[in-house]
Amino acid sequence: KAGVTQTPRYLIKTRGQQVTLSCSPISGHRSVSWYQQTPGQGLQFLFEYFSETQRNKGNFPGRFSGRQFSNSRSEMNVSTLELGDSALYLCASSFEEGSGYTFGSGTRLTVV
Amino acid sequence: GDSVTQMEGPVTLSEEACLTINCTYTATGYPSLFWYVQYPGEGLQLLLKATKADDKGSNKGFEATYRKETTSFHLEKGSVQVSDSAVYFCALSDMEYGNKLVFGAGTILRVKS
Repeated sequence: KAGVTQTPRYLIKTRGQQVTLSCSPISGHRSVSWYQQTPGQGLQFLFEYFSETQRNKGNFPGRFSGRQFSNSRSEMNVSTLELGDSALYLCASSFEEGSGYTFGSGTRLTVV
Repeated sequence: GDSVTQMEGPVTLSEEACLTINCTYTATGYPSLFWYVQYPGEGLQLLLKATKADDKGSNKGFEATYRKETTSFHLEKGSVQVSDSAVYFCALSDMEYGNKLVFGAGTILRVKS
């Protein structure tokens, strides 16, 4: 069965721009979470969506937002990009709580 | 809040050597524990998991036992291969804080032939 698909794989944006990243979860998985991975801060939780509702949110500024559609696909948006937003953004889907997540390959965002 | 501490790397081993990567956690509830592996340029892959005390997770020769008394979940493998070279992350999921993962800093493993 298909895994978690993230698009695009690589993205280069300029400071001040905004960006939208997309994630298609494994079929049947209703929970989608997003994580940011950087060399300095490691893996940090951004937010989780379940059945189109944000269920949990990490400690990130309001420039980071997301949504989930009725087919469980999810998007995350970062507005007014800063250099420090350069990171690997990972999406993960889960069938149920505590079962563990399946991760996508990530989107590598570079802000210049 | 919850946290995960794992041994710093890099860990460099010769092929067929034994591996142990230490992981300890702090949690207010009764977390599930996970080991994920990340190969260069890729996302995270779930290696193994344990959902309650004394559970042993195992996969591809790797094992880890959920030790509540020592709040630990150390990753072990009896004989490593070059193909095991990757970054290993210990993580927990505590239902007290919803279905999110809290990760350790990661441990780089390098296996030489």
